[in-house]
Amino acid sequence: AQKITQTQPGMFVQEKEAVTLDCTYDTSDPSYGLFWYKQPSSGEMIFLIYQGSYDQQNATEGRYSLNFQKARKSANLVISASQLGDSAMYFCAMREGRGNAGNMLTFGGGTRLMVKP
Amino acid sequence: DTGVSQDPRHKITKRGQNVTFRCDPISEHNRLYWYRQTLGQGPEFLTYFQNEAQLEKSRLLSDRFSAERPKGSFSTLEIQRTEQGDSAMYLCASSDWTGPRNTGELFFGEGSRLTVL
Repeated sequence: AQKITQTQPGMFVQEKEAVTLDCTYDTSDPSYGLFWYKQPSSGEMIFLIYQGSYDQQNATEGRYSLNFQKARKSANLVISASQLGDSAMYFCAMREGRGNAGNMLTFGGGTRLMVKP
Repeated sequence: DTGVSQDPRHKITKRGQNVTFRCDPISEHNRLYWYRQTLGQGPEFLTYFQNEAQLEKSRLLSDRFSAERPKGSFSTLEIQRTEQGDSAMYLCASSDWTGPRNTGELFFGEGSRLTVL
């Protein structure tokens, strides 16, 4: 079974509008972390936001927020006020365990976001 | 620039040749990771080091692949007898793991793109 599922291969959003990128995950470990990375055409993976499984509140970082629904095992990324520079691939990733065993991240297949002017 | 750097950025080689990639992590980061990313997919974990010790290897890492981190600083990833299926982006990442309170964010380089003809 896929550990991270991103069901939207591509998304369009109008500049200045908000957009939600979906991510569902599968783990039996009670301790885990969820990450979102942005990958522009240059190739570098840029960290956006992190949510720990025990965090009580949804994570926010500037225009990025994570809609964490633990019971549904979803961790959707919300980008507010989209900008042209937000056009990129977006990857959801998960770390299982508390990180002592290596902290490897498992990535989803990604969503390509295209912002229209 | 104090980020993760990778060299070369692009490598074109003929099938059967050996190639080596180098990664310089963020200084003082104790963990270093190699990932492989094929076109349109998310990164897949290959191996990771804690300091100079290689602690985990993925099933994807066949015996033609070898990675080293001899002094716990830079790392090399060598692919022997390359095959066309090895064509991919090879991403290096590092993290400063200090314990369970650490989010475990990975800092990625821009990758080394391999094309095997």
